[in-house]
Amino acid sequence: GAGVSQSPSNKVTEKGKDVELRCDPISGHTALYWYRQSLGQGLEFLIYFQGNSAPDKSGLPSDRFSAERTGGSVSTLTIQRTQQEDSAVYLCASSLKGVSNQPQHFGDGTRLSIL
Amino acid sequence: EDQVTQSPEALRLQEGESSSLNCSYTVSGLRGLFWYRQDPGKGPEFLFTLYSAGEEKEKERLKATLTKKESFLHITAPKPEDSATYLCAVQPYNTDKLIFGTGTRLQVFP
Repeated sequence: GAGVSQSPSNKVTEKGKDVELRCDPISGHTALYWYRQSLGQGLEFLIYFQGNSAPDKSGLPSDRFSAERTGGSVSTLTIQRTQQEDSAVYLCASSLKGVSNQPQHFGDGTRLSIL
Repeated sequence: EDQVTQSPEALRLQEGESSSLNCSYTVSGLRGLFWYRQDPGKGPEFLFTLYSAGEEKEKERLKATLTKKESFLHITAPKPEDSATYLCAVQPYNTDKLIFGTGTRLQVFP
């Protein structure tokens, strides 16, 4: 599989629980992005990684959201003490390098539902 | 503020009936404009990148054009398999993120 891989594809959890979402980018892609897509809304930028560093975290909506990337590859997005408004599809994308107009290639997302 | 507006929100076409989707943008400086296709339950699939006004790109029945204020996605003689949501995004010059519009949901009927 050469594409961006995300897991789980679906996650249902209770309000107040913590969740971890995983993204495995395309091999060789150094830039990695997280977006959120809510019903009826456009994709909303969350965070950007270049290698293991996150030069732009400006889209993270609150301190309950954090993300890390290790080995310049896999990334995890963690949401602590989930709220109902966190329900959305979380999409990961990767590109050959950041700070350029290289196209971002997306995974199929994790659909998160908070009960 | 950087912003992307797409119209119409939804479009229904008969098979073979050509039309255009609009993407209007406001951005401090444009590094690139991107078109994506998104099928239900899937992530966006990259179609085109446009970099400067006057540029055009084509792929099968789709052609994307760019001016200083808007981009058009022209669909010639569409087929039912072209049914999807089409997303437009801009990448401002001083950032790495994409700013997306809310998309146009296209339905093509046989």
